[in-house]
Amino acid sequence: GAVVSQHPSRVICKSGTSVKIECRSLDFQATTMFWYRQFPKQSLMLMATSNEGSKATYEQGVEKDKFLINHASLTLSTLTVTSAHPEDSSFYICSARDRGGITDTQYFGPGTRLTVL
Amino acid sequence: RKEVEQDPGPFNVPEGATVAFNCTYSNSASQSFFWYRQDCRKEPKLLMSVYSSGNEDGRFTAQLNRASQYISLLIRDSKLSDSATYLCVVNHNAGKSTFGDGTTLTVKP
Repeated sequence: GAVVSQHPSRVICKSGTSVKIECRSLDFQATTMFWYRQFPKQSLMLMATSNEGSKATYEQGVEKDKFLINHASLTLSTLTVTSAHPEDSSFYICSARDRGGITDTQYFGPGTRLTVL
Repeated sequence: RKEVEQDPGPFNVPEGATVAFNCTYSNSASQSFFWYRQDCRKEPKLLMSVYSSGNEDGRFTAQLNRASQYISLLIRDSKLSDSATYLCVVNHNAGKSTFGDGTTLTVKP
């Protein structure tokens, strides 16, 4: 299947710093990528939809000024958690939609585990 | 009511058992349907797509009933390695995916 990479896989930072997470589709072009957050023992929560060449669409309750999304190319989307706080500690997962296949399939990156001290 | 609802589980079954998961969705305009599995502290991985005609991949069979807005996943001859959380995913025409909360399966020796 299609491959999506995510970097870094794990990050530990101090409160108040900003953290940038990259999501890349390695073997297909993704006009749309998605950013999710998952807290322990909870389901995936969609944070925002990242559209290549246009502004991201944020879900209700997600602060767009805190979670900056940039989708600069058909294979790269970045999520920047600005001024991170301990409550932002979570598992952040991106996905990319491959619309070139028979079905409209979403492939996930391996996730980034963020710990804010 | 949630857009995608799954059996809450958990399911605890012995090796070799057959287990079935159910999922219902509320948006009749939903376009495509999938089952993903997620292992603890890992990302979700596509298990299989779900078609109206039903599809089978080895021990796994998925069914879609559009009239009832119902999706199922059947696992035959369960293996220890099948232990995971199974996510029902529904794609919409607007491009979004909606995930169920997942059903946790534990296969015991």
